[in-house]
Amino acid sequence: EAGVAQSPRYKIIEKRQSVAFWCNPISGHATLYWYQQILGQGPKLLIQFQNNGVVDDSQLPKDRFSAERLKGVDSTLKIQPAKLEDSAVYLCASSLVGPSTGELFFGEGSRLTVL
Amino acid sequence: QKEVEQDPGPLSVPEGAIVSLNCTYSNSAFQYFMWYRQYSRKGPELLMYTYSSGNKEDGRFTAQVDKSSKYISLFIRDSQPSDSATYLCAMSGGDMRFGAGTRLTVKP
Repeated sequence: EAGVAQSPRYKIIEKRQSVAFWCNPISGHATLYWYQQILGQGPKLLIQFQNNGVVDDSQLPKDRFSAERLKGVDSTLKIQPAKLEDSAVYLCASSLVGPSTGELFFGEGSRLTVL
Repeated sequence: QKEVEQDPGPLSVPEGAIVSLNCTYSNSAFQYFMWYRQYSRKGPELLMYTYSSGNKEDGRFTAQVDKSSKYISLFIRDSQPSDSATYLCAMSGGDMRFGAGTRLTVKP
């Protein structure tokens, strides 16, 4: 079974530039998550999709971050304009059902460095 | 107070040692308790999963949940160098919350 795919693995940009990350979840998984993991911290949920609808985006900085999940499969997370504090690993995860049972499958992450 | 507290370590033990990792939490709504393992530059992977209170064993790993104390533990017996990773506790009662992770190094 193929896992969660993410790209790019690494990205270096200057502050105020924009960046986009792509995620392809495990086939058949209805729920998709984007997490931000700052060095030395646990993952923090940015947004959760159920199929192609947003379930939770309460911690998404909406003035600069946006995300979409077209056709309930792939997803894109965009940051525009980036700030220094956005340097982090952006993890995409998927699950068969919602997060209540905790069985999330993570991709390898996209590491962003903002200079 | 954070919802989930986890000592970040780092923790270094010799091969063969018993490792104890712990988390405390404040939200009584949490019903599902997980331990994820994260190798360097990789995404977290689910290691252990427990519903409500009690113990669960899987090979060298044992997860314990004490809901009355709001305390969960992961024990690793006969630790191996391949166990060197960051261990994240996570809890869910609808929404999922992660601890900060404990970095473990098992030295040969």
